[in-house]
Amino acid sequence: ETGVTQSPTHLIKTRGQQVTLRCSSQSGHNTVSWYQQALGQGPQFIFQYYREEENGRGNFPPRFSGLQFPNYSSELNVNALELDDSALYLCASSPRTGWNTEAFFGQGTRLTVV
Amino acid sequence: DQQVKQNSPSLSVQEGRISILNCDYTNSMFDYFLWYKKYPAEGPTFLISISSIKDKNEDGRFTVFLNKSAKHLSLHIVPSQPGDSAVYFCAASEGESGAQKLVFGQGTRLTINP
Repeated sequence: ETGVTQSPTHLIKTRGQQVTLRCSSQSGHNTVSWYQQALGQGPQFIFQYYREEENGRGNFPPRFSGLQFPNYSSELNVNALELDDSALYLCASSPRTGWNTEAFFGQGTRLTVV
Repeated sequence: DQQVKQNSPSLSVQEGRISILNCDYTNSMFDYFLWYKKYPAEGPTFLISISSIKDKNEDGRFTVFLNKSAKHLSLHIVPSQPGDSAVYFCAASEGESGAQKLVFGQGTRLTINP
């Protein structure tokens, strides 16, 4: 059984640029969530996708957007990058949507904005 | 506002002894709680969860206790092993949100000494 995989593992971008991060969900999982983890903090929920539609959103501006594809893989797009966007971005997949299910995380993408 | 708090940034325990990690929350609507373990350069790994209808859940060496009246949960690891050295995050979600929006604490770094 393949776990959650993310690409790339590391990325350096310039302020104002746009970035796309990718995630392949665990086999059999139809729900994908994205989290941002700043240094020394716990992960913060960005949004969740279920059956290709956004299913919930955290306190992040609209320049954070996403997609989920028919094979349940997902992308996180961030426009107009700011220095504070530097963080570890984590993708998590779940076997179903809903509040009482476990989320399984990928290894993350470390984004540095300079 | 920090809805989930782990007030101990670090904890050091001798191998073979019990490790107790604590977590407090403020949102009374939280009804599902999870613990994750994170090694450097890896994503969080799911350990154990508990629903608010229970006060204890056990899985091998790991036991989670929930005290709803005190809005407090704890993770017990017995016996502690060197491989348990990692950062531990507690997380919570609420049923009314529909999507699984996990709210994480800041983490506690556990070090198991031989």
